Amino acid sequence: EDKVVQSPLSLVVHEGDTVTLNCSYEVTNFRSLLWYKQEKKAPTFLFMLTSSGIEKKSGRLSSILDKKELFSILNITATQTGDSAVYLCAVANAGGTSYGKLTFGQGTILTVHP
Amino acid sequence: DVKVTQSSRYLVKRTGEKVFLECVQDMDHENMFWYRQDPGLGLRLIYFSYDVKMKEKGDIPEGYSVSREKKERFSLILESASTNQTSMYLCASRPQGAGEQYFGPGTRLTVT
Repeated sequence: EDKVVQSPLSLVVHEGDTVTLNCSYEVTNFRSLLWYKQEKKAPTFLFMLTSSGIEKKSGRLSSILDKKELFSILNITATQTGDSAVYLCAVANAGGTSYGKLTFGQGTILTVHP
Repeated sequence: DVKVTQSSRYLVKRTGEKVFLECVQDMDHENMFWYRQDPGLGLRLIYFSYDVKMKEKGDIPEGYSVSREKKERFSLILESASTNQTSMYLCASRPQGAGEQYFGPGTRLTVT
């Protein structure tokens, strides 16, 4: 059974801090790892990672994948109150009828105080 | 922009009622998904569909069924709602092949 574990489950920081969110996984036939941000609405896509060691970056957010150690991190620098959200990590399976099926972690609740 | 819409944002139903949750996407995506989201458990896949009239069970299909008669519409059916089906239900779609899924705004269902 595919499994994704995120840590920490919740995090409270002040504006300007840098945070690192963790995602470890076990999946039978790995295809890609995805990060989403969820405020009080639909999850919105942040990154998709398929190759180890290649950092993806968008503004203050960046992410990297380690396929040997089976984990990914999401970094947010100079946090703002607008970064407060649930961050979801998901792994896509490439096998058979499960092709592209996503398995999600529990999510990390990030709260950024002014 | 991809748009995924769900029929209701909030829904309150009684135990034993039949409940229909509708999802429509406007990007001609082949693949559609239904998840439920509960605190501490993340998103869990209920059912998915690779094409019209095709369906596959996800990780927690018990108590649910689905219908995909048209490519743009994927319905989740609770045949006889129970209180443990109180949850946030999220629909998603994706073009054929791996890649990001696009989510709808969710339906918060309360079964009393």
